[in-house]
Amino acid sequence: EIVLTQSPATLSLSPGERATLSCRASQSVTTGYLAWYQHKPGQAPRLLIYHASNRATGIPARFSGSGSGTDFTLTISSLDPEDFAVYYCQQRTNWPPMYTFGQGTKLEIK
Amino acid sequence: EVQLVESGGGLVQAGGSLRLSCAASGFSFSIYWMSWVRQAPGKGLEWVANIKQDGSEKYYVDSLKGRFTISRDNAKNSLFLQMDSLRAEDTALYYCARDSSNLGQFEEWGQGTLVTVSS
Repeated sequence: EIVLTQSPATLSLSPGERATLSCRASQSVTTGYLAWYQHKPGQAPRLLIYHASNRATGIPARFSGSGSGTDFTLTISSLDPEDFAVYYCQQRTNWPPMYTFGQGTKLEIK
Repeated sequence: EVQLVESGGGLVQAGGSLRLSCAASGFSFSIYWMSWVRQAPGKGLEWVANIKQDGSEKYYVDSLKGRFTISRDNAKNSLFLQMDSLRAEDTALYYCARDSSNLGQFEEWGQGTLVTVSS
């Protein structure tokens, strides 16, 4: 089973600053299926990035994803007040299609 | 507009059973794999199970040990999760989610239904 470890657990930043969130896999994500989600209290999670670097429909350009193998990054270029939330990475195994999530990074207003 | 609406959550005693439902609308339900994902209080997201378009393949997180069963009714655009032998650690908000066509990620999510297991 691939374990995803996100860091930092909490990130305190101000609006307008750049956010860099990390997701490290215990072994290579050979499928390339690495996604990022934004989750706010009382709301459904929202898909941001898929295949490590592709923005989902309607996601602003300030969100970008990069990485391959075991190291992945979500970058928010200039934080908007609505971006403060918990962010999760997620991967899929080859077959059968089973999924694991990282433990999350809480992005909070400084 | 895509909608996934979960129902069936509630308070149940440990050892009891509960059946969750998810009503789908706004898309062709029968052509997508579907999943259940849960979030325990104060914890992160955990994938629970998924089911193929025709119900012929089903997969579960290893930790469930056969206590949950996922199913679907394409004629009624509905997804189900039968939960038996419930434990306190099953207490969570349960989300219904639509898998992407390449099975890489979850494109659409419901708002969730809360399951509370009392010990």
